[in-house]
Amino acid sequence: GAGVSQSPRYKVAKRGQDVALRCDPISGHVSLFWYQQALGQGPEFLTYFQNEAQLDKSGLPSDRFFAERPEGSVSTLKIQRTQQEDSAVYLCASSVRFSSYEQYFGPGTRLTVT
Amino acid sequence: GQQVMQIPQYQHVQEGEDFTTYCNSSTTLSNIQWYKQRPGGHPVFLIQLVKSGEVKKQKRLTFQFGEAKKNSSLHITATQTTDVGTYFCAGSLKTSYDKVIFGPGTSLSVIP
Repeated sequence: GAGVSQSPRYKVAKRGQDVALRCDPISGHVSLFWYQQALGQGPEFLTYFQNEAQLDKSGLPSDRFFAERPEGSVSTLKIQRTQQEDSAVYLCASSVRFSSYEQYFGPGTRLTVT
Repeated sequence: GQQVMQIPQYQHVQEGEDFTTYCNSSTTLSNIQWYKQRPGGHPVFLIQLVKSGEVKKQKRLTFQFGEAKKNSSLHITATQTTDVGTYFCAGSLKTSYDKVIFGPGTSLSVIP
């Protein structure tokens, strides 16, 4: 079956531009996570959805970051007025349970802000 | 806040040698997970440990969870070139949904 997919795979944005990153989780997975991974670092938690409910957004670095999952499946991470420090790989992961057990990660979106 | 640390940051081994990475948490964990990320790839779930002192094996990989549930280790016996990648531990806090905090990872290089 299909795994987690993310689009675009690569995104170059000029500083100040808005970007939208999409995540298609595995069908039927109730939990969805967004992480930010800088080069040579582990994934850093951004936000968590249980179905359509955003239960934890404590990891979002600023109010320029916004995530949604309106129908409990596809999720979008939006970054407004991008800054150079936003350059990273953004990973989406889904899990079949109401927890983070055995997360299935997507390939990530590499965002470069110039 | 909670921190999860791993050592070493990098490890270079000759093929056939053993490898161990250690994970330590500043707080007691509900459980711990291990993931592997190949170069250019995404993290792939390996295992979850839940019980104090638990030991699990997957072929040449042995995972341990400390008695105090604050540390863990991954040991690979007789490394192969296919073991190359970064190994992350992810410690889970018992919140309403079992949030995990990833460690910085140990990058393993295997010299053939």
